[in-house]
Amino acid sequence: GQNIDQPTEMTATEGAIVQINCTYQTSGFNGLFWYQQHAGEAPTFLSYNVLDGLEEKGRFSSFLSRSKGYSYLLLKELQMKDSASYLCAAMDSNYQLIWGAGTKLIIKP
Amino acid sequence: DAMVIQNPRYQVTQFGKPVTLSCSQTLNHNVMYWYQQKSSQAPKLLFHYYDKDFNNEADTPDNFQSRRPNTSFCFLDIRSPGLGDAAMYLCATSRGTSGSNEQFFGPGTRLTVL
Repeated sequence: GQNIDQPTEMTATEGAIVQINCTYQTSGFNGLFWYQQHAGEAPTFLSYNVLDGLEEKGRFSSFLSRSKGYSYLLLKELQMKDSASYLCAAMDSNYQLIWGAGTKLIIKP
Repeated sequence: DAMVIQNPRYQVTQFGKPVTLSCSQTLNHNVMYWYQQKSSQAPKLLFHYYDKDFNNEADTPDNFQSRRPNTSFCFLDIRSPGLGDAAMYLCATSRGTSGSNEQFFGPGTRLTVL
């Protein structure tokens, strides 16, 4: 079956760095997405990786290892507004997105 | 600004009373999606359209129907809402379905069933 695993909840301190991990099992692979979702709001796109390696975009970076079925989202210089859920989604061979349940990130002052 | 709009933002209905949720987009995207999302769960894809080609997910209950009368609009009809259908309903669009085509989400409609 197809599956996404990511931690349910993480806590970090304002100004620090946090890494949110995601492992996936899909029938074929056409890339991995990370979305941010604030409570009660819609997901917003953060990143897309299809090749191995690190993609940096400001304070956020995303890493992919296709051979390991693994990705992480790295958030630097954490701000209180980064408190949100972070959803990992892998695209399978039929271009369907397989979504994780999200990692709720709590930022403490 | 180009965007995905959902109306209403909050919908309250009674058990068994049909309800229609609407979505419109100004992005001129080919693909439109309807997702159901319950608290702390992954979004669950109900349907998607590529232009007028309708794609129903295998496990979407018959109680849910969808219409896309034109490129800009898409509707989700829940024929006989049950208590288990209370959720956030998200509409999303994308240019295409392949690879790097990110999905753009509307603000969602939160459905309450009494």
